[in-house]
Amino acid sequence: KNEVEQSPQNLTAQEGEFITINCSYSVGISALHWLQQHPGGGIVSLFMLSSGKKKHGRLIATINIQEKHSSLHITASHPRDSAVYICAVLRGAQKLVFGQGTRLTINP
Amino acid sequence: DTAVSQTPKYLVTQMGNDKSIKCEQNLGHDTMYWYKQDSKKFLKIMFSYNNKELIINETVPNRFSPKSPDKAHLNLHINSLELGDSAVYFCASSHTAGLAVVTGELFFGEGSRLTVL
Repeated sequence: KNEVEQSPQNLTAQEGEFITINCSYSVGISALHWLQQHPGGGIVSLFMLSSGKKKHGRLIATINIQEKHSSLHITASHPRDSAVYICAVLRGAQKLVFGQGTRLTINP
Repeated sequence: DTAVSQTPKYLVTQMGNDKSIKCEQNLGHDTMYWYKQDSKKFLKIMFSYNNKELIINETVPNRFSPKSPDKAHLNLHINSLELGDSAVYFCASSHTAGLAVVTGELFFGEGSRLTVL
């Protein structure tokens, strides 16, 4: 079993829908990252958080340290949001452990 | 201006060969990483360097040798390539407070797709 589990693995939705991707982890962490991998393969860091909630545009990330759980929300989803979203937890100083990714497809 | 750049982007080579992938960052970060993404798109850390010093070596075969000539560069040399080395290799950088927790977000290169025939 992976130390970091994401759900769902695949998600297809219609444009405009509210999207939630979940990440659960089983180890102690110092921070958690949400990453976006574009269809072309490039990876972009969306958020790094260690408590509470962060918002950037239509993206919202939350983390509950006690429950070892984080969620990534996308409001008013758009086809350009189609990508793989990856949760990664920071163990210790510099070691990132990755979830398996959630493939999101937003249909027009 | 590319923040983290990797070369080459694509590399096709025969089993047994030796190859290198270069990485440079112009962000002034003090920590650089190599990650491997396998055919199932699963990312895994290989190495991290902080100020040219090896910090993480995640049970990678010693055919893989990272080299950091300075803070802005982290190259990956692979000897005696095997079929299982075929993957996409990502370089990344971040700022840390010495060896303390990474203080900011990660910046990734575009990846180098290695195919071993």
